[in-house]
Amino acid sequence: DTEVTQTPKHLVMGMTNKKSLKCEQHMGHRAMYWYKQKAKKPPELMFVYSYEKLSINESVPSRFSPECPNSSLLNLHLHALQPEDSALYLCASSQELGGYTFGSGTRLTVV
Amino acid sequence: GDSVTQMEGPVTLSEEAFLTINCTYTATGYPSLFWYVQYPGEGLQLLLKATKADDKGSNKGFEATYRKETTSFHLEKGSVQVSDSAVYFCALSDPQTGANNLFFGTGTRLTVIP
Repeated sequence: DTEVTQTPKHLVMGMTNKKSLKCEQHMGHRAMYWYKQKAKKPPELMFVYSYEKLSINESVPSRFSPECPNSSLLNLHLHALQPEDSALYLCASSQELGGYTFGSGTRLTVV
Repeated sequence: GDSVTQMEGPVTLSEEAFLTINCTYTATGYPSLFWYVQYPGEGLQLLLKATKADDKGSNKGFEATYRKETTSFHLEKGSVQVSDSAVYFCALSDPQTGANNLFFGTGTRLTVIP
């Protein structure tokens, strides 16, 4: 298995909703990432988990809450989002410097 | 700090034309360099990579050579196809930063017309 699987592919949520994005990989990668990508922009790093511990939080608002239940799973819990949080959310994993494998993303719309 | 500067787009080429997308970088240490491609509505796919100076990455007819003396990693393809239409991102990972994350360029949108 050489993929990173993200669910759901599309999500529409209201500003008072709570939702979660899920990411799964079975490549044995020990680093996992959340990126946010706005239209016509490069991905921006949000969080890095290394060996299931949060190692980087790029000053992301607390309405985004990451969780790494085990070495294969990464979640992003969403609460009280704003319309400007609408974006493509990408999960990635890597094993040292061998390259990063990205999922196909969750396209989030906040209404 | 680490950064990647990428050729501004968009780039429009006719099928079978030669492609060059310029990429230069700034890094503290000895980074690994990558090209990623993003097709419409999809995530990022690794196109090719190089981990040390003078390495050449290649895949699907695309090539890029890690040039330490010019801090560059330009993407080339000899004959583009309509199916190559996508956004291309140059990126680096620098172990000197102590963090295992990617720094991306701004992306270059390529459109190939028949």
